[in-house]
Amino acid sequence: EDQVTQSPEALRLQEGESSSLNCSYTVSGLRGLFWYRQDPGKGPEFLFTLYSAGEEKEKERLKATLTKKESFLHITAPKPEDSATYLCAVQDSWGSGYALNFGKGTSLLVTP
Amino acid sequence: DSGVTQTPKHLITATGQRVTLRCSPRSGDLSVYWYQQSLDQGLQFLIQYYNGEERAKGNILERFSAQQFPDLHSELNLSSLELGDSALYFCASSVSSGGQETQYFGPGTRLLVL
Repeated sequence: EDQVTQSPEALRLQEGESSSLNCSYTVSGLRGLFWYRQDPGKGPEFLFTLYSAGEEKEKERLKATLTKKESFLHITAPKPEDSATYLCAVQDSWGSGYALNFGKGTSLLVTP
Repeated sequence: DSGVTQTPKHLITATGQRVTLRCSPRSGDLSVYWYQQSLDQGLQFLIQYYNGEERAKGNILERFSAQQFPDLHSELNLSSLELGDSALYFCASSVSSGGQETQYFGPGTRLLVL
């Protein structure tokens, strides 16, 4: 059975203090690994998809990387507007269609 | 704005009742997924439709059902509601190309069962 574990559960950073969020996964075969951002009471907002180990993608202050067992979301010089819950999800190539299996998320708070 | 719309935004009802949640996918997207998000379980896949046909099922209760209509909008029907059904319900739509696919989520429907 697919498993997605995110750590830490919560993270508090000072503005400008860089850090990384971790997503460990177990799947029969990885079709894709996804990162989403979710603000309170809103729907998840797509950030990145990674398909193979060694792949990296960047968007503004965010950079996502992928290995065979985990993915990292690096946040460089974060700003208060980066505060949100970051969700990691996997698509299993042997699973139900293209359904996403989500981790429980990392709640990030960036203070001025 | 993802382009996926969901109605209603909020729904308050009583135990034992039945409700219908509606989702309109992004223009051109053939797939619709339904997810449930509760505080303790996180985001859980319920069911997927592709161009009107059921494609995959996840942890969907027998009291819940869904369908996708010819205009591609989808409805999730929840019946015999229980307190534990209180949650955020999201739909997502997607289009596949070359085995790659991205799901875009709607704003959700917050269901409160009293």
